[in-house]
Amino acid sequence: DAGITQSPRHKVTETGTPVTLRCHQTENHRYMYWYRQDPGHGLRLIHYSYGVKDTDKGEVSDGYSVSRSKTEDFLLTLESATSSQTSVYFCAISELVGLAGRLGYEQYFGPGTRLTVT
Amino acid sequence: AQSVTQLGSHVSVSEGALVLLRCNYSSSVPPYLFWYVQYPNQGLQLLLKYTTGATLVKGINGFEAEFKKSETSFHLTKPSAHMSDAAEYFCAVSGRTGYSTLTFGKGTMLLVSP
Repeated sequence: DAGITQSPRHKVTETGTPVTLRCHQTENHRYMYWYRQDPGHGLRLIHYSYGVKDTDKGEVSDGYSVSRSKTEDFLLTLESATSSQTSVYFCAISELVGLAGRLGYEQYFGPGTRLTVT
Repeated sequence: AQSVTQLGSHVSVSEGALVLLRCNYSSSVPPYLFWYVQYPNQGLQLLLKYTTGATLVKGINGFEAEFKKSETSFHLTKPSAHMSDAAEYFCAVSGRTGYSTLTFGKGTMLLVSP
């Protein structure tokens, strides 16, 4: 499972409240990602990080911010939650795998956080 | 820019029948291609990937996929479906660097009947 944990695993919150989701990894991976999964949309990238304090926006970044103050933690914050942010959120890491000449990056996913905004 | 199209949001097969899940991609750079599987209420598990070399790649649970550059396709197949294959399958494309992001298709739900 690439040593990825997400917390909380489930959360119900009210519209307008701030919410922070945590992704923690234990294997010193440099690249980390946040996706959201919604029926009929697959997974869409929210933000990603390519190192401590280095982050960039993804396809659906509006309403979300991220922080990465240390390698092992990547935090996703909803500053003021809305019902449209009800979703399942997945964290992922990217790892270089394979043999010389056939190396390639693979992404491994955490177990997900189910967030409901009422 | 990258995009992935999965034909059919739902595919139904009988146990023992051939499974064929279709994926077409668009990429401005030579891509890496992936298939992930998601069982109910679980995370995503990597099924197989294409990076370089042999265009027919084999994955876990008897699945395989063939990269066809001329058709920009990466269809997933399994000769004989099993009830345990019922899940949602996602095709994804990325670039070739460590910070490359994945672009997913919308997913295909595979239903297997006895």
